[in-house]
Amino acid sequence: SQELEQSPQSLIVQEGKNLTINCTSSKTLYGLYWYKQKYGEGLIFLMMLQKGGEEKSHEKITAKLDEKKQQSSLHITASQPSHAGIYLCGADTNTGTASKLTFGTGTRLQVTL
Amino acid sequence: ETGVTQTPRHLVMGMTNKKSLKCEQHLGHNAMYWYKQSAKKPLELMFVYNFKEQTENNSVPSRFSPECPNSSHLFLHLHTLQPEDSALYLCASSRQRLAGGFYNEQFFGPGTRLTVL
Repeated sequence: SQELEQSPQSLIVQEGKNLTINCTSSKTLYGLYWYKQKYGEGLIFLMMLQKGGEEKSHEKITAKLDEKKQQSSLHITASQPSHAGIYLCGADTNTGTASKLTFGTGTRLQVTL
Repeated sequence: ETGVTQTPRHLVMGMTNKKSLKCEQHLGHNAMYWYKQSAKKPLELMFVYNFKEQTENNSVPSRFSPECPNSSHLFLHLHTLQPEDSALYLCASSRQRLAGGFYNEQFFGPGTRLTVL
């Protein structure tokens, strides 16, 4: 089965600083998703990456999938308190018509003033 | 954010109780999912339904019984649960993915926080 390891497990950064979260897979990634979760709530979809070398950005968040498709990174530029939460990477392990996601353990981000 | 709704948001039950969790999606999706999120463990997929048919049961104990009467509604019936079943239960939905097509993101509900006493 596919396993996803995220690092770091938790992160505290000062407002305005940049940060990077990594997601490493034990197998090739065919569909890699990034989600954000506020404590005790549902997941909010951020981005999805498919192709090796692909990079996507939304506002101040950029996600990349490396060429070998076994690692993804999420980079936040000039962090704000609104970025605080738990970031989860998920990999699609199914090729059928319904996706089947395996998730990493998450990275808890705190942004201090 | 109101595309996938879950009720109740919080539930406390005894080990001998029977209760049900409800999920409803208003996005026109055909696939629905139940996940379990326990403290300090990765989010775990429990069940997958595609066009009302169960396509995945991830070795879930029989005290959890899913039901999908139509593509918009998904239930999780609970009976004789154990304290270790206390967790956040999340429902999600997605579009059907065509063969060889792009992967589709899943949209999540806010979850039901379940406590088993």
